[in-house]
Amino acid sequence: DAKTTQPNSMESNEEEPVHLPCNHSTISGTDYIHWYRQLPSQGPEYVIHGLTSNVNNRMASLAIAEDRKSSTLILHRATLRDAAVYYCILRPRRSYNTDKLIFGTGTRLQVFP
Amino acid sequence: DAMVIQNPRYQVTQFGKPVTLSCSQTLNHNVMYWYQQKSSQAPKLLFHYYDKDFNNEADTPDNFQSRRPNTSFCFLDIRSPGLGDAAMYLCATSREGDGYSPLHFGNGTRLTVT
Repeated sequence: DAKTTQPNSMESNEEEPVHLPCNHSTISGTDYIHWYRQLPSQGPEYVIHGLTSNVNNRMASLAIAEDRKSSTLILHRATLRDAAVYYCILRPRRSYNTDKLIFGTGTRLQVFP
Repeated sequence: DAMVIQNPRYQVTQFGKPVTLSCSQTLNHNVMYWYQQKSSQAPKLLFHYYDKDFNNEADTPDNFQSRRPNTSFCFLDIRSPGLGDAAMYLCATSREGDGYSPLHFGNGTRLTVT
């Protein structure tokens, strides 16, 4: 299974942009890049996903390197509610019964007022 | 309007006493997953169903079983819980088993084994 590596922790001040990196050097051409975040005492929450092009939604932006071996989740203005563990995960494009969503260790984001 | 519902939120069981955790979904998704998450660790996939097809991870202990009687419900049975099975158990769904479909998680059941 393709693996991802992320920094263990990052810090930000409130209302500043946050760039969360993820390396996935063994990504295959058909793997989607997914990001989830997990707030304390809650299940993971979907944030964003993409294949090749950069993606934007109401929560965040996803910047994907041209060679797809890395990606960056961008929170444009961090709030205290964004403090969570962020997971970058690879999900095969078509993988019915062998479908997997394997979590790496994630990045714990702290946001300071 | 919770879409993936796990009951109960907290479950206490005794060492060796069978326990069942439940998950229901209102999304009509084809795929349902069970994850185990221990303290300060990432979630670990135990097994998943694509419709009625069951897929077990190679390192999931035999002590863990699952049932999916219909599209909406999925159960995790722990036949003889040990102290090492204390964890948060997360249920998730996805519309399809493809990379385009995001996962939707419930808020988990925290299992304590005494």
